[in-house]
Amino acid sequence: ETGVTQTPRHLVMGMTNKKSLKCEQHLGHNAMYWYKQSAKKPLELMFVYSLEERVENNSVPSRFSPECPNSSHLFLHLHTLQPEDSALYLCASSQDLGIDTEAFFGQGTRLTVV
Amino acid sequence: GQNIDQPTEMTATEGAIVQINCTYQTSGFNGLFWYQQHAGEAPTFLSYNVLDGLEEKGRFSSFLSRSKGYSYLLLKELQMKDSASYLCAVRDRDDYKLSFGAGTTVTVRA
Repeated sequence: ETGVTQTPRHLVMGMTNKKSLKCEQHLGHNAMYWYKQSAKKPLELMFVYSLEERVENNSVPSRFSPECPNSSHLFLHLHTLQPEDSALYLCASSQDLGIDTEAFFGQGTRLTVV
Repeated sequence: GQNIDQPTEMTATEGAIVQINCTYQTSGFNGLFWYQQHAGEAPTFLSYNVLDGLEEKGRFSSFLSRSKGYSYLLLKELQMKDSASYLCAVRDRDDYKLSFGAGTTVTVRA
């Protein structure tokens, strides 16, 4: 039990599909994040939310759309993706945005775009 | 921005010691994290260094030299379950963002 739960664990979607990734944290944290992890590459920060407000959007294509309805839930809506978007998408949360605050990660959603 | 380098792969024998180096070139610095990630699982926090020196936690130790832009993670008395990817991450001085290295895959052999 990591405290951060992501669903689904695996997703295969066509380039014309629309799907959503879900993240839920049970830790009472105020900040949530989406990261992209591609093989042999560093984790890339995509979005950051603090107290349900987006504080970071790292030049992510508009085909990725985040939503944070409350401090416990974070979604990543996907549409018209490209094959190069295939990757592991990790959600994380932290108590706040403090400099020494560790992030707790979910197990990720393995996304394959065909 | 941050440029973070760590070796891609390392192999060691059960019971041995392995040292994973991480070098960084940053526009600012507010701490360095090490995470462990087993295949198909979430990264889990191992250590945080913000001051120079060695932090020890059981079989794992992490060292930081800010003047050299250098850290290492030391794994002692290696066990098979230590086979995983180890991620080095640096926090920028002026914000909360973590920049990650590509990870070092450690394989422990019997």
